[in-house]
Amino acid sequence: SYVLTQPPSVSVAPGKTASITCGGNNIGSKSVHWYQQKPGQAPVVVIFYDSERPSGIPERFSGSNSGNTATLTISRVEAGDEADYSCQVWDTSSLVFGGGTKLTVL
Amino acid sequence: EVQLVESGGGLVQPGRSLRLSCAASGFTFDNYAMHWVRQAPGKGLEWVSGISWNSGNIGYGDSVKGRFTSSRDNAKNSLYLQMNSLRAEDTALYYCAKDINRGIGSGHSDYWGQGTLVTVSS
Repeated sequence: SYVLTQPPSVSVAPGKTASITCGGNNIGSKSVHWYQQKPGQAPVVVIFYDSERPSGIPERFSGSNSGNTATLTISRVEAGDEADYSCQVWDTSSLVFGGGTKLTVL
Repeated sequence: EVQLVESGGGLVQPGRSLRLSCAASGFTFDNYAMHWVRQAPGKGLEWVSGISWNSGNIGYGDSVKGRFTSSRDNAKNSLYLQMNSLRAEDTALYYCAKDINRGIGSGHSDYWGQGTLVTVSS
């Protein structure tokens, strides 16, 4: 089955840029979606179809996808961005999530 | 306003069954595929099942295949998950999520419920 690999944690200082990766075999050929989940809350999509941003999501959130790695980039990180971030793809009749990355704002 | 409200969770013994429900409102339910996604305590998201708008295509995660069954009643705007032969490792918060498309596939989920907790323990 298809596997998506994310780093367990990423730390970043406020105002800096955070990059969260999602690795998978030829993931560049798939559509990648990213979810943000804060403690006690349901997930919220922050990027869909690799790089599209839903209404209400700040422009600071962006995404890219090529080769074997998809990346969620958060610019000018704020304290409120601290959360778990998970990538998701569809592969051969299965929806697959990455293991999630905890973003800590220092 | 889109609302997804899960119910039916609780404490159940290993080997027993449980049926979860998800009541949808605020959108045209029969236009969209729906998913069940679970999250074990302190763990990541895991896809359980997805069902297309007309129930013509239903998929399951490997860990629940053969034990869980998804269904929907479009007349009642409701999604269901029948869970049989429950195991301790099925303990999780179960979310109902709406897909952006009619079919299950490469789309994402734009709305999620708050989840219902299932605990499998003797």
